[in-house]
Order: sequence, then C-alpha cells, then structure tokens
Amino acid sequence: EVQLVESGGGLVQPGGSLRLSCAASGFPFSSYSMNWVRQAPGKGLEWVAYISSRTTYTYYADSVKGRFTISRDNARNSLYLQMNSLRAEDTAVYYCARIGPWTASYFFDSWGQGTLVSVSS
Amino acid sequence: QSALTQPASVSGSPGQSITISCTGTSSDVANDNLVSWYQHLPGKAPKLMIYEGTKRPSGVSNRFSGSKSGNTASLTISGLQAEDEADYYCCSYTGGSTLYVFGTGTKVTVL
Repeated sequence: EVQLVESGGGLVQPGGSLRLSCAASGFPFSSYSMNWVRQAPGKGLEWVAYISSRTTYTYYADSVKGRFTISRDNARNSLYLQMNSLRAEDTAVYYCARIGPWTASYFFDSWGQGTLVSVSS
Repeated sequence: QSALTQPASVSGSPGQSITISCTGTSSDVANDNLVSWYQHLPGKAPKLMIYEGTKRPSGVSNRFSGSKSGNTASLTISGLQAEDEADYYCCSYTGGSTLYVFGTGTKVTVL
C-alpha cells in the first residue's frame, strides 16, 4: 500500500525557517517524481514545488521561488521542503503528492494527509 | 498563471446528476488533455478521481466522468450519493514555469 506521511510542521515566526519531511513507503520511491501542494485556511489547493525522480529537475511556484527548496533522499525514501523567510501567507497545510507512474504522467495519484505550518508572531 | 475558474458550489438531490465546470485558457486546460480532478474531504488526503481529462483510476466509481470542450473541462457525478459530499478541484499541467495550476474549488452538497 502506498503511504506518504508528512512531518515537521508547526508554529514559526515571520522570517523564520522550517523543514518539512515526507516519508514514503509501499512503492519504489526513486522511480517517481514528487511534489508539495499546500492549502491555506479557507482557500483552495496550490501547487508549490516539483522534483524529478533523480533530482535532475526542480520547479517552484512564483510565490515561493527563492525562499523554498525541494529535495529528496532516495536512499531514505524521503522528500523534503526547506522553507526560509517564511511569511504569514505561507500558513497552510502542506501535502506531499506523487506524480503518476508513467513517464508522461501529469497528475497526482497519491497524497499524504498533510502537515500544518503556521507563520505568526 | 491564474487559478482555473470553478463554481463555488453545486448541489443536487440523491440520484441526480451534477456537473462541475473548470474554465482555463489556451495555456492550460485547452492545451492537450492534461486535466485531472480531485476529491477533498476536510482533514483527509485529496483523492484522484479523473486524470488525462477522461480516465478513471482503478477503484473510482464509474459514476464519475470527465470531459472537455475548448477551454473548459467538466466533471460529472451521476447518481449522486451522500458520500459524494466534498470539495472538488480540477488541475491542469501547464508546461510552464508554474508546472501545475489548480481550480478555485467547488463544494458539492447533497440535499
């Protein structure tokens, strides 16, 4: 069974940093591209960042570019999101999401339950 | 890249059919069949319902179907059931620097 379990969320002051983790199991993690998607309170889903299976490619939403860094450790079956210079508008539940199984997959076929990040003084 | 436009809410009685629209531009929804749909219940992980515009993943009820016409994609739920009450989001791959854009979300209520 595919499992994605996020951790690392919490309360942080504006300007602070936080590192989220996503532990993957039940599938060959190193073969799949991964993403972070967030949902701010009362808002819709927003794609945040993408990383290819071998870390060759990374992409970011304009709203986080230069502040967030997505990375992965295929040996540890783990995905990460380093978040720096956090702002109040980064407050959200952050989900890790797997891209579908084929080379030309452009959808998220598995999601974690999310971890809450709150940015407030 | 702006969010795709969905109606804020759609409702229907049990057994009825409802359709949720998702309107984008030539840069996203209209650009090849790369729209997916997700069901999201509060506190739960989003669930893939439709991918590549019309395809259903294994395990998703055939009451859910997807279509597209021009810049607008649609999700139809037929034979509406109480368990279908949730938020639904469309999503399109753009191929640009903002790889994916989600819709604004639609709350489905079963009357």
